[in-house]
Amino acid sequence: VQMVESGGGLTQPGGSLRLSCEGSGFIFSRYSMSWVRQAPGKGLEWLSYISGSGETIFYADSVKGRFTISRDNVKNSLSLEMNSLRDDDTALYYCARCDPAATYAHDYWGQGALVTVSS
Amino acid sequence: SYVVTQPPSLSVAPGKTARIPCGGSDIASKSVHWYQQKPGQAPVLVLYDDTDRPSGIPERFSGSTSGDTATLVIGRVEAGDEADYYCQVWDSSMDHLYVFGSGTTVTVL
Repeated sequence: VQMVESGGGLTQPGGSLRLSCEGSGFIFSRYSMSWVRQAPGKGLEWLSYISGSGETIFYADSVKGRFTISRDNVKNSLSLEMNSLRDDDTALYYCARCDPAATYAHDYWGQGALVTVSS
Repeated sequence: SYVVTQPPSLSVAPGKTARIPCGGSDIASKSVHWYQQKPGQAPVLVLYDDTDRPSGIPERFSGSTSGDTATLVIGRVEAGDEADYYCQVWDSSMDHLYVFGSGTTVTVL
């Protein structure tokens, strides 16, 4: 099982970025997925969840209305579209698999994509 | 919104037992997961659903819940257990679905 994030980078406040996460080694469509971030020197913050079919989606209040999660089960890909970025969105962004056999615990994580929001 | 609290730090001598609390209202009625994160690494799941260990996690890691507190217990602590530990509450009835605690840094003396 492996997840690989991409798409991080530097953007200005108010800008946009799109993160991607490619999953391999498992049947991607059978698993829900989440995005979790970690600001420098801070703790983990769950951001968004999407079911295996893509029909059920949840967001944390901190990103609701600004971030959009989606998935392409043909390409085994998860995405996070981030708009209206703020300085406090600077963080390492992880995608994580949610295991229904483990009460949706995040059993596998990618290595993260760094997003820096700065003028 | 649901609040989950953890002490910022905890120190333990090698060979002793570390008990890391995670507090939340009626947390025993929800599912609690625990993650270990070492510097520069992605988090690793060490316990799920309060007490269950993923494959590959030593039996030294165990958990319990009661009332408003969930606890991660690390027995016979080793130097390699030094890390940040995060509890995570999952509840499908919550709007936010998942809430992380603020994390506890465990230092092995």
